[in-house]
Amino acid sequence: DAGVIQSPRHEVTEMGQEVTLRCKPISGHNSLFWYRQTMMRGLELLIYFNNNVPIDDSGMPEDRFSAKMPNASFSTLKIQPSEPRDSAVYFCASTQSGRWYEQYFGPGTRLTVT
Amino acid sequence: TQLLEQSPQFLSIQEGENLTVYCNSSSVFSSLQWYRQEPGEGPVLLVTVVTGGEVKKLKRLTFQFGDARKDSSLHITAAQPGDTGLYLCAGGEEGNNRLAFGKGNQVVVIP
Repeated sequence: DAGVIQSPRHEVTEMGQEVTLRCKPISGHNSLFWYRQTMMRGLELLIYFNNNVPIDDSGMPEDRFSAKMPNASFSTLKIQPSEPRDSAVYFCASTQSGRWYEQYFGPGTRLTVT
Repeated sequence: TQLLEQSPQFLSIQEGENLTVYCNSSSVFSSLQWYRQEPGEGPVLLVTVVTGGEVKKLKRLTFQFGDARKDSSLHITAAQPGDTGLYLCAGGEEGNNRLAFGKGNQVVVIP
């Protein structure tokens, strides 16, 4: 079975540009989580969806960040405009119903904003 | 926000040696997970513990959940180079469906 798929794997962009990160969760999983990982702060939850509905976006740093899940097989995380401090590895994870604590992570997108 | 502290942050040992790393918090968790992350990849779930005092074994890895469900340890017996990685603990609280992650224990096993 395919795991969580993320694209692109690497993204280098200039400050002020829009960045869109993509995630395809594992088929049959109904919860999806977006995380950001840095050396300083570790792994931080940004937002999570349950059955395509955003449940908790308290971790989204500011209005420049937005996330959508138009259907059960696709989600996006958008940063507009991007800033150098957004440089990090962004992970998407999905879980089965009733087992939200056992999360399956994608390979991540390494974002560099210059 | 629950805070999980992992120690030591970095550990380097020779192949064949034993090691233990720790995950501590002042919060009580309904479950605790250990993940291993290798460079350029996402974390991979190793184990979930849910009962205070619970011990689980995964080959040479032994995981223990503290009696009060606030802390956990991971012990590796006869470490192998393939055990090298960042070990992350994560605590879950029923009702909010979110995990709090520690910053990890970076383990390096030298051949």
